[in-house]
Parts: sequence; C-alpha cells; structure tokens
Amino acid sequence: RKEVEQDPGPFNVPEGATVAFNCTYSNSASQSFFWYRQDCRKEPKLLMSVYSSGNEDGRFTAQLNRASQYISLLIRDSKLSDSATYLCVVNPSNTGKLIFGQGTTLQVKP
Amino acid sequence: SAVISQKPSRDICQRGTSLTIQCQVDSQVTMMFWYRQQPGQSLTLIATANQGSEATYESGFVIDKFPISRPNLTFSTLTVSNMSPEDSSIYLCSVVGSLEWGTDTQYFGPGTRLTVL
Repeated sequence: RKEVEQDPGPFNVPEGATVAFNCTYSNSASQSFFWYRQDCRKEPKLLMSVYSSGNEDGRFTAQLNRASQYISLLIRDSKLSDSATYLCVVNPSNTGKLIFGQGTTLQVKP
Repeated sequence: SAVISQKPSRDICQRGTSLTIQCQVDSQVTMMFWYRQQPGQSLTLIATANQGSEATYESGFVIDKFPISRPNLTFSTLTVSNMSPEDSSIYLCSVVGSLEWGTDTQYFGPGTRLTVL
C-alpha cells in the first residue's frame, strides 16, 4: 500500500464547477498535511496547509479526518487557471521529509 | 518566500558520466532536501542534506550513487554518478526553516531536468 494515495484523474470540469479531490494516508502518526499545486514543467508550490478543524482560502477548502486518515480539497467556481496537478502531501514526523501522493490532474475547460 | 535557484536547469548527458547539480538559497535555512521526480511520477525524497556532515539517505538511495554536499546554510550540491538512462528525471532541491518565512513551509527549487542517453 502506498503511503499517500490519490485518484490520479484526470478530472475534466467546466469553468465554474465545483470539484473535490480526496487523499488517504497510511501512517496514523503523521503530523502535518498539505496540498501542493504543480503546473506542467514547474516545481510544486504550496497551495495550503490542512488543519484538523478544516481551513478555507478563498475558493479552496481543505479538510482533514484523522480518524479515517483522509484529506480532501474542494475547489469552488473553478477557473481555467486552476488547471494543474494537485499533490497531497504528508509530513509523517515533522522532520521536513515530505511524502507525496501521485497527484490528481485537473483540467478546467471553457 | 524563499528564492531558490538550481544549476543547471537542464542537461543531456551520456551514460556513465556524472553530473553535479547546485542549489542556492537567498537566505539561511535550517533544512535542505533533494527529491527526484521521474517522468509521469510524483516526487520521491532522495536525502536530507546536512550541513557539515554526511547526508541522510532514504531507502533505495546510496551515497556512492548520489553524493551530496552542504558546506553552509544556503548551498547544497547533488551529484548523480555513473548515470544510466534510468536516472533521467527532474531533480529538485527544497528548503524549510527560515527566520524570514517561517519554519513550517517547504519551498522547492525550479528543478533540473536530466536526460541520460
């Protein structure tokens, strides 16, 4: 079993749609959680951290369920510029060693 | 956020040769890491670059193949030794822990795209 699992997609959605990505992790002792965004041929960039209470940043909402070892990202009112690969990332031990999921590809179409 | 540069940005190399990739950060950082992203795959951690001491390697990666240096708090190198086509990947450095931009967020360099013929 992979340490961090994501549905690779691709998710093809029209502009304005709401789309949700899910991720599961295997290490129940994991300390911190993130969503990174990676554009084609670019480095990953932090989109948002994920907190137990859930957190929102504009059109993006992240949720963490520690009991189920499940992380989600919701994107509302999708824009063309949201097209990218979204990486679910877990820091198992707060050492800075990140474990990456394989990524979920989103394509937003006009 | 951190400004991280990597050199070279890309290279095409012959089998059996070695390539050294440099990572430079514009501020002192606590931790530096090297990752590999193979074609169509996600990122895999190679090692933690430790200042003034040997790097800490993840399972499946060894010092003879991927020697790493970190002489100070802003600079690190990764060498890919005795290359084979299987080493064709993007190699990324990342940093975490700066007084300027906090100790939680990890930033990535732009990557070095390596093709081995």
